Amino acid sequence: GQQVMQIPQYQHVQEGEDFTTYCNSSTTLSNIQWYKQRPGGHPVFLIQLVKSGEVKKQKRLTFQFGEAKKNSSLHITATQTTDVGTYFCLKGAQKLVFGQGTRLTINP
Amino acid sequence: DVKVTQSSRYLVKRTGEKVFLECVQDMDHENMFWYRQDPGLGLRLIYFSYDVKMKEKGDIPEGYSVSREKKERFSLILESASTNQTSMYLCASTGGDIQYFGAGTRLSVL
Repeated sequence: GQQVMQIPQYQHVQEGEDFTTYCNSSTTLSNIQWYKQRPGGHPVFLIQLVKSGEVKKQKRLTFQFGEAKKNSSLHITATQTTDVGTYFCLKGAQKLVFGQGTRLTINP
Repeated sequence: DVKVTQSSRYLVKRTGEKVFLECVQDMDHENMFWYRQDPGLGLRLIYFSYDVKMKEKGDIPEGYSVSREKKERFSLILESASTNQTSMYLCASTGGDIQYFGAGTRLSVL
């Protein structure tokens, strides 16, 4: 079936270090969304990317959609302890498919 | 604010029991979804519904059924619970393209 591969599965960083998670699809995506799930919480929408090569920023978070619309990334600059959680990408349109998620832990 | 409410945060059931997980949303959303979340596997779609009395199978429908008698309510049914259905179950509704999730129900089947 249609899958979205997300890597890495886990990432542990020192507070202040950067963090990146990647989602890759074998097929062209019409759009991609990113969600954050805090420990013990539920996924919360962060952003949607629609256009080829699109880059969006939310404070220290930078979201990119590849030129071919087959991959996307979420980059966090200078992580803080509040960034802890699992980050998911979601392939939208006709069939919704979540990536496996990247669990971010941070050493303060 | 959109609110998606799941009836139970924690549930413990025995093998073979019939289990109902209830989900209610208050934003008049047409689309509702049931996922299960397991470590290393992310969120997997069980069933979804685009309208009242309408249902579509997701990626892992086996062992589950659903009911959507009213627009605001989407129920997930485990006809005969098994231990491999121990998981976190998340309900969501869609406003525009955005998925709004409930708090989740952690189900343990013993």
